[in-house]
Amino acid sequence: AQSVTQPDIHITVSEGASLELRCNYSYGATPYLFWYVQSPGQGLQLLLKYFSGDTLVQGIKGFEAEFKRSQSSFNLRKPSVHWSDAAEYFCAVVGDNNDMRFGAGTRLTVKP
Amino acid sequence: DSGVTQTPKHLITATGQRVTLRCSPRSGDLSVYWYQQSLDQGLQFLIQYYNGEERAKGNILERFSAQQFPDLHSELNLSSLELGDSALYFCASSEGQLTDTQYFGPGTRLTVL
Repeated sequence: AQSVTQPDIHITVSEGASLELRCNYSYGATPYLFWYVQSPGQGLQLLLKYFSGDTLVQGIKGFEAEFKRSQSSFNLRKPSVHWSDAAEYFCAVVGDNNDMRFGAGTRLTVKP
Repeated sequence: DSGVTQTPKHLITATGQRVTLRCSPRSGDLSVYWYQQSLDQGLQFLIQYYNGEERAKGNILERFSAQQFPDLHSELNLSSLELGDSALYFCASSEGQLTDTQYFGPGTRLTVL
């Protein structure tokens, strides 16, 4: 079955600095990949998703992610972080068995 | 506001009991999904219903069951509750496929004492 690993449990960046959150997946074929954000006390919100085609995907709130098959990665990036980006970020994968698997999440803290 | 509503917001119950969580999807969405989020297990996909029929199944325990009614609202039934079932239960909805954009509700926090 497919699986997702987010190696970083917690990341702290300064406001205005760039951000990269790592996601590695395990799946034999090309998976469906997602990044979600969860603000404190809220449900999840989809930032972006990748199915096929252009490996650089643009999302909402200025986020982008790049699919790299050779590295089995789908890292999330943002060039300049805002204080409102402080939240928990989840990478997820859907394989052909129609089962969605989430990573453990990365908590982002933004320093003023 | 995602347009997905969940009731109740909080639920406190005892071990061995049974509870029902309710979800109303966004207008026009035919699929409803249930997720469990706990400190131990993280975020887990439980089950998907599409237009009243089960479409996909994740890590849902046999003690748990769900259904989707003709008006498309869904209920998640949790029985023989254990301490480990304490978690945040999210409902989400989408137009149809699991890979569609899903819109999440605010969640129901279940505490089993």
